[in-house]
Amino acid sequence: GNSVTQMEGPVTLSEEAFLTINCTYTATGYPSLFWYVQYPGEGLQLLLKATKADDKGSNKGFEATYRKETTSFHLEKGSVQVSDSAVYFCALSTPKARQLTFGSGTQLTVLP
Amino acid sequence: DAGVIQSPRHEVTEMGQEVTLRCKPISGHDYLFWYRQTMMRGLELLIYFNNNVPIDDSGMPEDRFSAKMPNASFSTLKIQPSEPRDSAVYFCASSKTGLNSPLHFGNGTRLTVT
Repeated sequence: GNSVTQMEGPVTLSEEAFLTINCTYTATGYPSLFWYVQYPGEGLQLLLKATKADDKGSNKGFEATYRKETTSFHLEKGSVQVSDSAVYFCALSTPKARQLTFGSGTQLTVLP
Repeated sequence: DAGVIQSPRHEVTEMGQEVTLRCKPISGHDYLFWYRQTMMRGLELLIYFNNNVPIDDSGMPEDRFSAKMPNASFSTLKIQPSEPRDSAVYFCASSKTGLNSPLHFGNGTRLTVT
């Protein structure tokens, strides 16, 4: 079956620090990979995605590269802001899957 | 684009009462999903529809839960009778072409059953 393992939180950083949130996966078939972000009191929203090996998804200064050899899709940002404080979810889908598989989420707090 | 609209935002009810959660998906989206989010279990898919037809309801916890989609612009999730363990945030999401296209989530309904 499909599964996603995310870095345990919470993560607390100072503004302008470098961010990495680790995500690894197991999948039956060739997955598409996603990062979703959930701000306080809101639903999840798509942050970025990658659909094939070595693709890099990017948005709002965040990046993640689809690494098939290490089955990973780590989220990075070079300089975080207070407004990046949120919960980040790694997710995958496969052609035969009937649902997105989400990781458990990582709470990020950025301090001024 | 108004986004996915859910109502109510908050619902507090007593055990045994019926609860109805409502969702209006984004116009033109053919898929609609109901999720439940708790600290203990994270995000769980309850049921999803394609073109108003339920496709997979294997995530519905038990017979007390039911969902309908009478038309392309409206869906309900009903819990009858409600129990304290149903307390959670319930999200509705829609997408244009299924799981590989972005899911657009509503802001959720926070349900508290006392």
